[in-house]
Amino acid sequence: GENVEQHPSTLSVQEGDSAVIKCTYSDSASNYFPWYKQELGKRPQLIIDIRSNVGEKKDQRIAVTLNKTAKHFSLHITETQPEDSAVYFCAASIGDKIIFGKGTRLHILP
Amino acid sequence: DGGITQSPKYLFRKEGQNVTLSCEQNLNHDAMYWYRQDPGQGLRLIYYSQIVNDFQKGDIAEGYSVSREKKESFPLTVTSAQKNPTAFYLCASRVSQGSTQHFGDGTRLSIL
Repeated sequence: GENVEQHPSTLSVQEGDSAVIKCTYSDSASNYFPWYKQELGKRPQLIIDIRSNVGEKKDQRIAVTLNKTAKHFSLHITETQPEDSAVYFCAASIGDKIIFGKGTRLHILP
Repeated sequence: DGGITQSPKYLFRKEGQNVTLSCEQNLNHDAMYWYRQDPGQGLRLIYYSQIVNDFQKGDIAEGYSVSREKKESFPLTVTSAQKNPTAFYLCASRVSQGSTQHFGDGTRLSIL
């Protein structure tokens, strides 16, 4: 069945450094790839998304890249700040469903 | 996303009891979803609905039931058959395939 793998499960970076989270998906029919940020006890919030006809998208310090051939996509956060500490989820949309990765807990170290 | 309201915020279930989680949206979205979130497990799909009076099972539907009698409402019932219901439950909606999914604030269900 459909599957989304996300790595790493935990990531610690020094404040100001960059963070990269990677995901792979199994169904080549997937056409929409959102990324969500979730703070403790709160709802997931969309931070960026990309569609299958685009290879890269950037929004200030956040960028997402998509490699359809390899079926993987990545989230890049530059110049990390303390408020970037949270759990990040990737997802892949396949028809009516959205399948989520298991999440990456990002720690920003002072 | 103020357009999706989940209630209650906290819910406690006794052994053998069915409980219903409410999800209402005023975004005029056609599609609605229920997810279960456990620590380290991400979001797992329970049920989803694309139109009124129609819904499909997700990956972990056993022990749960839903209805979609109105476009705005998609309640989830956690039945006594769900032996490990303690989790954070999230409702979501979106306009159509390939569009952004918006989440409610969630309901945290615990066993008494």
